[in-house]
Amino acid sequence: DGGITQSPKYLFRKEGQNVTLSCEQNLNHDAMYWYRQDPGQGLRLIYYSQIVNDFQKGDIAEGYSVSREKKESFPLTVTSAQKNPTAFYLCASSIDRVRAIPQPQHFGDGTRLSIL
Amino acid sequence: GDSVTQMEGPVTLSEEAFLTINCTYTATGYPSLFWYVQYPGEGLQLLLKATKADDKGSNKGFEATYRKETTSFHLEKGSVQVSDSAVYFCALSKIYGNTGKLIFGQGTTLQVKP
Repeated sequence: DGGITQSPKYLFRKEGQNVTLSCEQNLNHDAMYWYRQDPGQGLRLIYYSQIVNDFQKGDIAEGYSVSREKKESFPLTVTSAQKNPTAFYLCASSIDRVRAIPQPQHFGDGTRLSIL
Repeated sequence: GDSVTQMEGPVTLSEEAFLTINCTYTATGYPSLFWYVQYPGEGLQLLLKATKADDKGSNKGFEATYRKETTSFHLEKGSVQVSDSAVYFCALSKIYGNTGKLIFGQGTTLQVKP
């Protein structure tokens, strides 16, 4: 079955450490997204990518970095510059870069990041 | 800017009760509207969608109608089950520049008791 795989499910970070969250999709989708979810809040967009080797900052990109070297993969690095990284991180993808009608996004099961 | 507002939760219902979760939006142009559901510890699943005014999205007994005149997309279900307990997110999507971005409401928690 096609889908989005995020790993690990739980991740712990020490102070001053960078950590990388994995996101892989086999849906052949062009666009991929990273969101952050905090308790009682909606999702906020961190970064998105419409095509390989291209990505754009979302609303809360500070302290995060991404890469898009393969269509299937869009890893997110939470750097030590992100002072409040504890959150639930969700990766999503959608079928096309741009269409006249926005397409729904498909989500992975998320990674919960905590600070030790 | 564009935004989505949902009714505050938690919403607590007994099994077989009627459900309404209110959602209103502010947006220029012609957004598409979505309802997503999140079960505990999981990602979001698309529940239903509507792409233009007066469209009705439906799935698994849930329905929502795109009302442009009231800028609303309320979620309804005639008879809820315990298994419907989850967090429900209303969202809109437009083409911003050259990409389609989702803007989410804050989510509404539904608790269904037997």
